[in-house]
Amino acid sequence: GAVVSQHPSWVICKSGTSVKIECRSLDFQATTMFWYRQFPKQSLMLMATSNEGSKATYEQGVEKDKFLINHASLTLSTLTVTSAHPEDSSFYICSARLGPGELFFGEGSRLTVL
Amino acid sequence: AQTVTQSQPEMSVQEAETVTLSCTYDTSENNYYLFWYKQPPSRQMILVIRQEAYKQQNATENRFSVNFQKAAKSFSLKISDSQLGDTAMYFCAFMSSNYKLTFGKGTLLTVNP
Repeated sequence: GAVVSQHPSWVICKSGTSVKIECRSLDFQATTMFWYRQFPKQSLMLMATSNEGSKATYEQGVEKDKFLINHASLTLSTLTVTSAHPEDSSFYICSARLGPGELFFGEGSRLTVL
Repeated sequence: AQTVTQSQPEMSVQEAETVTLSCTYDTSENNYYLFWYKQPPSRQMILVIRQEAYKQQNATENRFSVNFQKAAKSFSLKISDSQLGDTAMYFCAFMSSNYKLTFGKGTLLTVNP
């Protein structure tokens, strides 16, 4: 099956710093990738849709200036959490679309903001 | 907007027995996909089974099968011959025509030896 890789898998940072998380489709090209957020013992919530070569579209309530998304190539989307604060601590997961009804998930990235 | 409801926060089953997880959804779309995902403690999302709404036949994958009732907007997952490795959180998800996924709140399944 298709493989999606996220990096880093776990990151700890100080409050006020920015953190970048990468999502790569390793063996296919993905014009569309998605970013989700998952708090402990909760479900996944879609944050934004990342489109190659164009601006990301954000779900209602997600701060676009806080969560910067860049989809510069067909195999890479990045999520930057700017000026991170403890409330941004969460598990972030990406998925990449291969075809109709076909989505593949990364392993997820655990962010802890001190 | 789509909604997905999983009414069972937790379930348990004895090893080798059968268990059914419930899921209902609400949508005005006619063509869509439905999924069951498994999330073990590693938190990697693992696809269990996928159903295309325009297909009447219920999807099956080895020990996993679904009961898809389109008119009732119901999509339950049956796990046969449960194994200890099936212990995980299970999420039902709806994919709309723009490929966005909406997840239910999940059901924590525990398989007891």
